[in-house]
Amino acid sequence: GAVVSQHPSRVICKSGTSVKIECRSLDFQATTMFWYRQFPKKSLMLMATSNEGSKATYEQGVEKDKFLINHASLTLSTLTVTSAHPEDSSFYICSARDISGRPSYEQYFGPGTRLTVT
Amino acid sequence: LAKTTQPISMDSYEGQEVNITCSHNNIATNDYITWYQQFPSQGPRFIIQGYKTKVTNEVASLFIPADRKSSTLSLPRVSLSDTAVYYCLVLLNQGGKLIFGQGTELSVKP
Repeated sequence: GAVVSQHPSRVICKSGTSVKIECRSLDFQATTMFWYRQFPKKSLMLMATSNEGSKATYEQGVEKDKFLINHASLTLSTLTVTSAHPEDSSFYICSARDISGRPSYEQYFGPGTRLTVT
Repeated sequence: LAKTTQPISMDSYEGQEVNITCSHNNIATNDYITWYQQFPSQGPRFIIQGYKTKVTNEVASLFIPADRKSSTLSLPRVSLSDTAVYYCLVLLNQGGKLIFGQGTELSVKP
């Protein structure tokens, strides 16, 4: 099946620094990728929709200047957490939709990135 | 937006069939019903997707009544490794956004 990777899998950073997380579709092309965050014992919360070659669409309440998203190619989207603070510590997960997939728009999820801000 | 409601948790034993029902009263005509499985500290994994009646694959079956206001995920003969959180989602037709509900935490005991 389709594979989505994320890098890094875990990252620890100091408060005030920025962290970049990569999401790659390894064996398919994705015009659209999605970014989620998940707190312990909670469900996934959609943060934004990343569109190749255009600006990302952010969900209500998500600061676009804090969570910068770039979707420069059909296989790569990046999420940069700028000026990270301890409350940004979370599990970040991306997903990608295969442009050649069935009309049912099946999405494939990455393994997630655990961010810890100290 | 179609909102889903499912039990917070369920317990089962190895070898049993598990049925998890999800309500989605506001489902739109073009929406699909999708189920995902998630293990701790991993991304969700696609299980099954359907539009109406019954869909079956190698891991599960999905039953959808005619009014499509609910759906039931059926896991045959569960094992300990099926312990996970199961999410029922309605795929929004206008862009494929998946809005996750609370999910059902399934615990399979020996």
